[in-house]
Amino acid sequence: AQTVTQSQPEMSVQEAETVTLSCTYDTSENNYYLFWYKQPPSRQMILVIRQEAYKQQNATENRFSVNFQKAAKSFSLKISDSQLGDTAMYFCAFMKHVVYDKVIFGPGTSLSVIP
Amino acid sequence: DSGVTQTPKHLITATGQRVTLRCSPRSGDLSVYWYQQSLDQGLQFLIQYYNGEERAKGNILERFSAQQFPDLHSELNLSSLELGDSALYFCASSHTPALLGANTGELFFGEGSRLTVL
Repeated sequence: AQTVTQSQPEMSVQEAETVTLSCTYDTSENNYYLFWYKQPPSRQMILVIRQEAYKQQNATENRFSVNFQKAAKSFSLKISDSQLGDTAMYFCAFMKHVVYDKVIFGPGTSLSVIP
Repeated sequence: DSGVTQTPKHLITATGQRVTLRCSPRSGDLSVYWYQQSLDQGLQFLIQYYNGEERAKGNILERFSAQQFPDLHSELNLSSLELGDSALYFCASSHTPALLGANTGELFFGEGSRLTVL
């Protein structure tokens, strides 16, 4: 079974600084998707960024980028120029690239951006 | 706005009761997923439906059941409720499954239904 681990329950960063959230996963699959979802205090789940395992290039979305290390089964999220609105719970998630599969979420990292 | 609608937003009930949570997926999405998020916890996968059929099952209790109707909306039924069932229940929808090419894997979440069992 697939598992997703986030070893940092809580993190904080100064506004405008850079922070990296860690995620590791365990799978025997070769093709899969990885995601970072954000859950602000409103509790709405929002996709931040996604990565397809067969793509070697790391995904980027504006201030958000990932460091995808397939062999190490590591998928970290870097947030540059942190903003107060980035304060949220961040979940790393995994989905096999097969028909009808579920998305498995990690336990989350609570990020606080300090003014 | 994700396009996924969940009702009710809040629900307070007593132990032993039964409730039904409803989800309308984004227009065009065929898959519906249900997740449970207990206080300060991650998201636990309950069940997935695709075009009316159950496709994947997580650690869903026998007291819980779900279905997806022909119009693609879904309902999660929770019965014999216990205090520990208090949680935020999310519905999410997505496009066709990954292998059919149109799916990016992204889930679109509703705002959740907060269930409080007293």
